[in-house]
Amino acid sequence: GAVVSQHPSWVICKSGTSVKIECRSLDFQATTMFWYRQFPKQSLMLMATSNEGSKATYEQGVEKDKFLINHASLTLSTLTVTSAHPEDSSFYICSAGWGETQYFGPGTRLLVL
Amino acid sequence: EDQVTQSPEALRLQEGESSSLNCSYTVSGLRGLFWYRQDPGKGPEFLFTLYSAGEEKEKERLKATLTKKESFLHITAPKPEDSATYLCAVGNYGGATNKLIFGTGTLLAVQP
Repeated sequence: GAVVSQHPSWVICKSGTSVKIECRSLDFQATTMFWYRQFPKQSLMLMATSNEGSKATYEQGVEKDKFLINHASLTLSTLTVTSAHPEDSSFYICSAGWGETQYFGPGTRLLVL
Repeated sequence: EDQVTQSPEALRLQEGESSSLNCSYTVSGLRGLFWYRQDPGKGPEFLFTLYSAGEEKEKERLKATLTKKESFLHITAPKPEDSATYLCAVGNYGGATNKLIFGTGTLLAVQP
């Protein structure tokens, strides 16, 4: 139980384009989902908390107009990186809360050329 | 300020050589302490949740313990497949539901 999926697992895009990443909880409902970013050999950096049916809460320093988050249902949250630039290249990981525990997706590797 | 510190940053063990990883924390009100394992290029995999001092949990070669200030992840007779980064995180009362504060992790390498 408590399986979280992400799609796509890999994406390469040109600078200036937008990229959408999906996060789904497959066997449970999650009122809260989280989006993280991870740089090589570093720990997870929380970007935002996504609540079903309401606006996401962004961490300090994260541009909400650049990283659009939508949590339209209890099993789906999406992260859209708008007007992506090479510095947005990173490993993006989502998680879904079930009880007290967060369960993580497998991650999405984004490369912006 | 709530904080999580893990040590050592990296640990190299021989197969069968038992050891412990440390997670020290300061938190206003502990909602839970979580251990995760992360393999390269993958999302963290949940291992344990501990809620109160004195609690212990085991899974195969791993055993997690909790005191009021720190948690230990004991690895008994490790195998090469135990090589990974082990992450510790805490949740606090008063914060957003399920929100976690992560340490920087311990990179474990087990050599055959």
